[in-house]
Amino acid sequence: DIQLTQSPSFLSASVGDRVTITCRASQGIDSYLAWYQQKPGKAPKLLIYAASTLQSGVPSRFSGGGSGTEFTLTINSLQPEDFATYCCQQLKSYPLTFGGGTKVEIK
Amino acid sequence: QLVESGGGLVQPGGSLRLSCVVPGSSSPSMTWVRQAPGKGLEWTSVIGAAGQYTNYADSVKGRFTISRDNSKSTVYLQMNSLRAEDTAVYYCARYVWGSQNDALDVWGRGTLVTVSS
Repeated sequence: DIQLTQSPSFLSASVGDRVTITCRASQGIDSYLAWYQQKPGKAPKLLIYAASTLQSGVPSRFSGGGSGTEFTLTINSLQPEDFATYCCQQLKSYPLTFGGGTKVEIK
Repeated sequence: QLVESGGGLVQPGGSLRLSCVVPGSSSPSMTWVRQAPGKGLEWTSVIGAAGQYTNYADSVKGRFTISRDNSKSTVYLQMNSLRAEDTAVYYCARYVWGSQNDALDVWGRGTLVTVSS
């Protein structure tokens, strides 16, 4: 199974900050990586697929990068509605696996 | 939007069937993803558009069965021999794929399954 390790697991930031979350895969997954945002009590929401392609309707302050085993999610100019948990997922092979999540909280 | 139903309280060893209505005329590949209280997301199963292809996480293999009835635009998750560790919110999600553009792009609101005596 492909393991995904996210860091940090918790992040405290202020409105307007730029934040970067890292997701490392235990083996190469090309660009088969997606990022999701989840708010308490809500379903996950797709932000980015194919490692760097922004899902329709997602603000351009979100961006993704990387390929192979190391990936990043960057949020430029953090907004109040961005405080949530972010999770990566690999879709290279079954079982599909998720990272442990990064909770972004208000400083 | 996807709409799940069928969750509830069940005793250990019991069974439950979840349903997910998939609006629209297409029959996309579908998955079930679960989230235990306070924990991260865990993929459990996938079914292809025609229902002939399925795959499962080891944690549910042999106990859970994913199926679909495209005439009813519904995907099911039959859960047998339930354990306390199966307690979670279960989400159905549409699985889009091709040219490395794979993702779970539409999710339901989830249905809570509680396994307890």
